[in-house]
Amino acid sequence: EDKVVQSPLSLVVHEGDTVTLNCSYEVTNFRSLLWYKQEKKAPTFLFMLTSSGIEKKSGRLSSILDKKELFSILNITATQTGDSAVYLCAVEAGSNYKLTFGKGTLLTVNP
Amino acid sequence: DTAVSQTPKYLVTQMGNDKSIKCEQNLGHDTMYWYKQDSKKFLKIMFSYNNKELIINETVPNRFSPKSPDKAHLNLHINSLELGDSAVYFCASSLSRWGTQYFGPGTRLLVL
Repeated sequence: EDKVVQSPLSLVVHEGDTVTLNCSYEVTNFRSLLWYKQEKKAPTFLFMLTSSGIEKKSGRLSSILDKKELFSILNITATQTGDSAVYLCAVEAGSNYKLTFGKGTLLTVNP
Repeated sequence: DTAVSQTPKYLVTQMGNDKSIKCEQNLGHDTMYWYKQDSKKFLKIMFSYNNKELIINETVPNRFSPKSPDKAHLNLHINSLELGDSAVYFCASSLSRWGTQYFGPGTRLLVL
């Protein structure tokens, strides 16, 4: 069975700090890895990674994938209170491209 | 203008009842999904349809039956509701069978 493990499960930081969220996976026939941000409602898409070593960047957020070591990290620099959310990692795998989610990292950014 | 919409947003019902949740997407996507998110926020795939054809059917009780009348709609019917069905149900869609999935706002189901 495909497995996606995120760490830490929760994290509390102060505004301005930099955080690194981790996602490791064990899947059969990897296709892609996706990061989502979930505030009160629906998960919203952040990044999709398919190739190792290529950083994806969007403002203060960036992410990279290591397909050899089977993990990805999501970095957030100069955190703001609006970054407080659950960050979900998901891996797309298999012939049916099924998306398996991790349990998420709850990030709380205090002013 | 909502890309993926679900109705209702909230559903409170008694054990044993039958209920339906509707999902519509106006993105022109071919593939639609149902996910269940439990109280610990764990999001798990239930079903996926591509062009009205069922392609993913996870280990879900057969009280849950998805129906896709056309590729823009995917409804979820639940028979004989149980307490453990209480969760948030998310619909999602993607352009094809792979790639980025876009989520609806969720339907919060509470079974009493």
